[in-house]
Amino acid sequence: QKEVEQNSGPLSVPEGAIASLNCTYSDRGSQSFFWYRQYSGKSPELIMSIYSNGDKEDGRFTAQLNKASQYVSLLIRDSQPSDSATYLCAVNSPMDSSYKLIFGSGTRLLVRP
Amino acid sequence: EADIYQTPRYLVIGTGKKITLECSQTMGHDKMYWYQQDPGMELHLIHYSYGVNSTEKGDLSSESTVSRIRTEHFPLTLESARPSHTSQYLCASSDSPTGVNGYTFGSGTRLTVV
Repeated sequence: QKEVEQNSGPLSVPEGAIASLNCTYSDRGSQSFFWYRQYSGKSPELIMSIYSNGDKEDGRFTAQLNKASQYVSLLIRDSQPSDSATYLCAVNSPMDSSYKLIFGSGTRLLVRP
Repeated sequence: EADIYQTPRYLVIGTGKKITLECSQTMGHDKMYWYQQDPGMELHLIHYSYGVNSTEKGDLSSESTVSRIRTEHFPLTLESARPSHTSQYLCASSDSPTGVNGYTFGSGTRLTVV
């Protein structure tokens, strides 16, 4: 089992719809959770971070965390074609003393005009 | 505006050449990382550093080496480039010992070995 799991997609949604991206993680001790957006050929860009259970909203983006279910999600409201990218979930894992971020393999999102 | 810089952005080089990919950050971050990523594929950690004179190998075995003589500088070297080294190389840094604020990535170096 991978430490951070994401559906590779592609997830295809029409313009204006809500895109829902999901991520599960294996380490119950994880404390920090991140969503990165990566356009094709570019480097990852941090778009959301969340540290406690519940929802965190920033503009059209909402991150949701459920530590009991070891589940973190990203909702994108009013999806735009410019949101088409790969979304990487990353989890801070204290499994070893290095506290490295563990990245999922990413979900590709396609927003159809 | 990026505070972590990678040069060159693109590099095409012949087999057997020695190359150094540069990564510099102006944020004073202690922790720095090198990732390798093939197109459409996941990130693989190949090296990381906790500070000056500290370097560790990552999860993916790599023939590259790194050094950390100054806090702001974390270059990656390939002594003898091979076509299998063709990939995108991403440098990142973190301001927190526990990664609580995530990583900041540079813009990457796309390496092609012919």
